[in-house]
Amino acid sequence: AQRVTQPEKLLSVFKGAPVELKCNYSYSGSPELFWYVQYSRQRLQLLLRHISRESIKGFTADLNKGETSFHLKKPFAQEEDSAMYYCALRGNTPLVFGKGTRLSVIA
Amino acid sequence: NAGVTQTPKFQVLKTGQSMTLQCAQDMNHNSMYWYRQDPGMGLRLIYYSASEGTTDKGEVPNGYNVSRLNKREFSLRLESAAPSQTSVYFCATKREGNTGELFFGEGSRLTVL
Repeated sequence: AQRVTQPEKLLSVFKGAPVELKCNYSYSGSPELFWYVQYSRQRLQLLLRHISRESIKGFTADLNKGETSFHLKKPFAQEEDSAMYYCALRGNTPLVFGKGTRLSVIA
Repeated sequence: NAGVTQTPKFQVLKTGQSMTLQCAQDMNHNSMYWYRQDPGMGLRLIYYSASEGTTDKGEVPNGYNVSRLNKREFSLRLESAAPSQTSVYFCATKREGNTGELFFGEGSRLTVL
C-alpha cells in the first residue's frame, strides 16, 4: 500500500526563519515523490519533484530512501510562502496525497 | 488556454438530491482524475480515467459515478447526495508520459444539507 504522512497540520514560522515541512512515505517499490502547493484563492500546483533535484522559489527537498522521507526545506521563509503544502507519492497507482501542512509565515 | 475547467464552482444540495460535476480540459491529456479535499484529510482520489472509455475506482468511490464522455470531458455524478459528501471537489489531468505532474481545476465547493 502507498501512504504519505505529513505529521504537522499547521506550521507557523517568523519571516526569515528556516522552514522544514516533514513528509514520510510508505511504499515497497521505487517511489516518485512530489510537493504540491495551494496558495490562497489559487489552484493546486506542482512545486517540485524529487527526480528534478531542483530548487523552486528557494525550496528544496531530498528523497531519503533510508528514512523514507521527503522533507521540504527553505532556509529563509517569506510571507508569500504562506500556503497549504501537500506531499504526494506515485507508485503503482495514481498520485496519493498526504493530509497537508498549512504554513503560516509571520511578519 | 483555459486548462482545466470545472462547473459549477459552488452548489448547495439537499440530502437525496442528485447532481453532476462537470470537468473539461483543453490540454489534450489522456488521464483525468476526481479528488475530494476535506479539512484534515487532504486530497483523496474518487475515480480516475487513464484514457477515453476507461474509468477506475480510487480510494473513496462509494456514492459516486463517473463518465468519460470523450477525451476532453470527465464528469462526476452524485446520485443521492449525503451530508458526508460535503467537500471541495477537484478535477485534474496528467499528460501522457509525464511522471506525475497533475494540472488542477479551480475546484467545486459542494454543500449537502
